[in-house]
Amino acid sequence: DTAVSQTPKYLVTQMGNDKSIKCEQNLGHDTMYWYKQDSKKFLKIMFSYNNKELIINETVPNRFSPKSPDKAHLNLHINSLELGDSAVYFCASSQDPNYGYTFGSGTRLTVV
Amino acid sequence: AQSVTQPDIHITVSEGASLELRCNYSYGATPYLFWYVQSPGQGLQLLLKYFSGDTLVQGIKGFEAEFKRSQSSFNLRKPSVHWSDAAEYFCAVGARGGGNKLTFGTGTQLKVEL
Repeated sequence: DTAVSQTPKYLVTQMGNDKSIKCEQNLGHDTMYWYKQDSKKFLKIMFSYNNKELIINETVPNRFSPKSPDKAHLNLHINSLELGDSAVYFCASSQDPNYGYTFGSGTRLTVV
Repeated sequence: AQSVTQPDIHITVSEGASLELRCNYSYGATPYLFWYVQSPGQGLQLLLKYFSGDTLVQGIKGFEAEFKRSQSSFNLRKPSVHWSDAAEYFCAVGARGGGNKLTFGTGTQLKVEL
């Protein structure tokens, strides 16, 4: 069983479209995250939820909206996609900072 | 706020040679420190972590890292590199509290020559 699963793995879409990426974890962790990895491989946190409550919201355009229906799911909705949104988006979860994160395999978003 | 510096963008080593990847961190207290590896097209896998205790930590795949508070460093080492170790390596620092946020370095790409 995959611990942190993201769908879709690849997403190609046109500018201006709205898209969603889904993330689910079966580890029983309380905290989930979205990270963005740009073309230079730099990883930057976007959001973090703890038990469905938003606890980290970095400087991210408000076109990005996370939704956590329960503590096992954290989805990312992006409105009015722009070329600069092209990146790999990683979902992760953790229970205890001592143990780090468990990452999903990523969603490669390409905006054309 | 915490930060991480990985001074080496690319490193090339011969198979069988030893490896050291550098990581320096900035944080006001004792941090949580991690090394992750990312193979092409894959997610990040945790290699090892430090949060307290013994400053030399052992990880998976034969990797180890040493926490040196005086140098604010957490360098990753492996005595003999295998071709399958070619990947991107990320050092990360976590703040105690603050939502368990990890801040990553910019990564070091390791190439292994056969």
